[in-house]
Amino acid sequence: QVTLKESGPVLVKPTETLTLTCTVSGFSLSNTRMGVSWIRQPPGKALEWLAHIFSNDEKSYSKSLKSRLTISKDTSKSQVVLTMTNMDPVDTATYYCARTIVIRGIFYYYYMDVWGKGTTVTVSS
Amino acid sequence: SSELTQDPAVSVALGQTVRITCQGDSLRSYHASWYQQKPGQAPVLVIYGKTNRPSGIPDRFSGSSSGNTASLTITGAQAEDEADYYCNSRDSTGNHVVFGGGTQLTVL
Repeated sequence: QVTLKESGPVLVKPTETLTLTCTVSGFSLSNTRMGVSWIRQPPGKALEWLAHIFSNDEKSYSKSLKSRLTISKDTSKSQVVLTMTNMDPVDTATYYCARTIVIRGIFYYYYMDVWGKGTTVTVSS
Repeated sequence: SSELTQDPAVSVALGQTVRITCQGDSLRSYHASWYQQKPGQAPVLVIYGKTNRPSGIPDRFSGSSSGNTASLTITGAQAEDEADYYCNSRDSTGNHVVFGGGTQLTVL
């Protein structure tokens, strides 16, 4: 059974750096077709993709948040870590990690097939 | 603003068919995937690769695409289908990923 679990602080202060960890089970971060994405959702608002990382260490970041984000993985620990610097109250959201599949062939498929339950982060002094 | 545009809200009578659309230039090159999100829950993948359904997703959910528009169709909508639906794809450069703004589906 594939599961992902987000962990990290519930509350951070403005200007601080947020560090979130996604611990996965049921699949390996070394699988060439699989990676992990981070997505967030402010209260009452839409989903926002933040970043992804794949087994070959391919990384991609949201255009608008690129300067603040860093994604990394520890395959031996089955963990993916996202850091976001200079936190602001507008960054208050539920943060999700999701297994991400890429299939390149005649067709190109990119999708997030299993999601964690999410972790809520509040930014406040 | 998102590179993928969705209608904010759509309604459908119980048992009827509804189509939820997603527009964006990147959809001419990349397939959309669709996610269902109920209040207080994580999103669930319902369609990927334009037309594929993950196991466990009812066959009343289907996907299609034409030009710059991807569509999610629910044939015979049920009360439990009331949720927010999001489309997702690569952006027009192919270097990033975007979600649509979401469509709130009400089943009347």
